[in-house]
Amino acid sequence: DTEVTQTPKHLVMGMTNKKSLKCEQHMGHRAMYWYKQKAKKPPELMFVYSYEKLSINESVPSRFSPECPNSSLLNLHLHALQPEDSALYLCASSQDLGAGDTQYFGPGTRLTVL
Amino acid sequence: AQSVAQPEDQVNVAEGNPLTVKCTYSVSGNPYLFWYVQYPNRGLQFLLKYITGDNLVKGSYGFEAEFNKSQTSFHLKKPSALVSDSALYFCAVRDVMDSNYQLIWGAGTKLIIKP
Repeated sequence: DTEVTQTPKHLVMGMTNKKSLKCEQHMGHRAMYWYKQKAKKPPELMFVYSYEKLSINESVPSRFSPECPNSSLLNLHLHALQPEDSALYLCASSQDLGAGDTQYFGPGTRLTVL
Repeated sequence: AQSVAQPEDQVNVAEGNPLTVKCTYSVSGNPYLFWYVQYPNRGLQFLLKYITGDNLVKGSYGFEAEFNKSQTSFHLKKPSALVSDSALYFCAVRDVMDSNYQLIWGAGTKLIIKP
């Protein structure tokens, strides 16, 4: 089973709201990722966790705060977002951070910031 | 610098005809190459990858891709297109020698299969 689940599917929030995106995988993968994707564009890497520790933060604004409570879960906490943050947020996981390890993606959360 | 090029924004193919979606890459060392497909309002689905070995890689849904080192290409192919193959296709590469974990993505190619 190569399933990554994400909730919610859709989220509409105001610029002053606080919300969280959730991601879960039960494949025993030790690496998990957050990506942001604008329409018809390739995904942009935001954060990488390896063995529950933050490995990469691609200079993402602090209004995005990742959290990895355990090896199966990954959260993205959102606060004081801007309308330009509206996008599809994708979670992915891979066995490890090896160059040949395949990343498996969830269906995404469609975020709209008003 | 590492890069991936998908030279066609859109490819139109009649149902039942063979399809090819092109991808070329540039890396310093040896490449690991991936193809993903994205259906409307969905996440990315892994199709296939080249790590080493046989240059012809077979993947999901009848797709295959051929690694050509001399032409630095990894074109995605299918012998007979289905309308349901219509989607956005992304090629991605990693340089084996690069400690950076990131996948380098192509811009994507929209594939339209007409009945």
